[in-house]
Amino acid sequence: ETGVTQSPTHLIKTRGQQVTLRCSSQSGHNTVSWYQQALGQGPQFIFQYYREEENGRGNFPPRFSGLQFPNYSSELNVNALELDDSALYLCASSLAGVSGYGYTFGSGTRLTVV
Amino acid sequence: DAKTTQPPSMDCAEGRAANLPCNHSTISGNEYVYWYRQIHSQGPQYIIHGLKNNETNEMASLIITEDRKSSTLILPHATLRDTAVYYCIVRVDKEYGNKLVFGAGTILRVKS
Repeated sequence: ETGVTQSPTHLIKTRGQQVTLRCSSQSGHNTVSWYQQALGQGPQFIFQYYREEENGRGNFPPRFSGLQFPNYSSELNVNALELDDSALYLCASSLAGVSGYGYTFGSGTRLTVV
Repeated sequence: DAKTTQPPSMDCAEGRAANLPCNHSTISGNEYVYWYRQIHSQGPQYIIHGLKNNETNEMASLIITEDRKSSTLILPHATLRDTAVYYCIVRVDKEYGNKLVFGAGTILRVKS
């Protein structure tokens, strides 16, 4: 059973640029969620994808967007990067339809915007 | 959304039980309580979860009060490797999906 893998592990971008982060879900999981964790804070929910559609969204602007692919992997895209977007971005996979099922997190992508 | 309140930090002697409290007084009847921990800004690691009954696994025990307004995570024999940020989380289920609502967490320092 493979876990959740994220790429890249670290990334440096310039303000105004666009970035794409990738996530492969754990084997057998069909739902992917993305979280943003600023330094010293708990993770904040960005959005969730199920059956290749957005299935819930947190308080993040439209320049944060995502995709889920038929193999359940996912991408997080951020346009017009701002300095405050610097954070650890976490992907978590889970199995929809199973009450109380847990989430498996990846190790995250550390994004620095300069 | 239900929110959780945890003490910002706690110390525990190595080999002793670590008892981490959490208040979730606004939790709804069908919302689960999850505990995760995070070490050195790695991804959060699942520890345990529960709805109403107390739960135990190889890592920890979860004690949930009868009114479900608070819970306690118990690490029975803390080791130095248990030093981490521990998050008490409520899973919010909506028609459109679900999400984990993280609080600020408790920094647990296990000392020799």
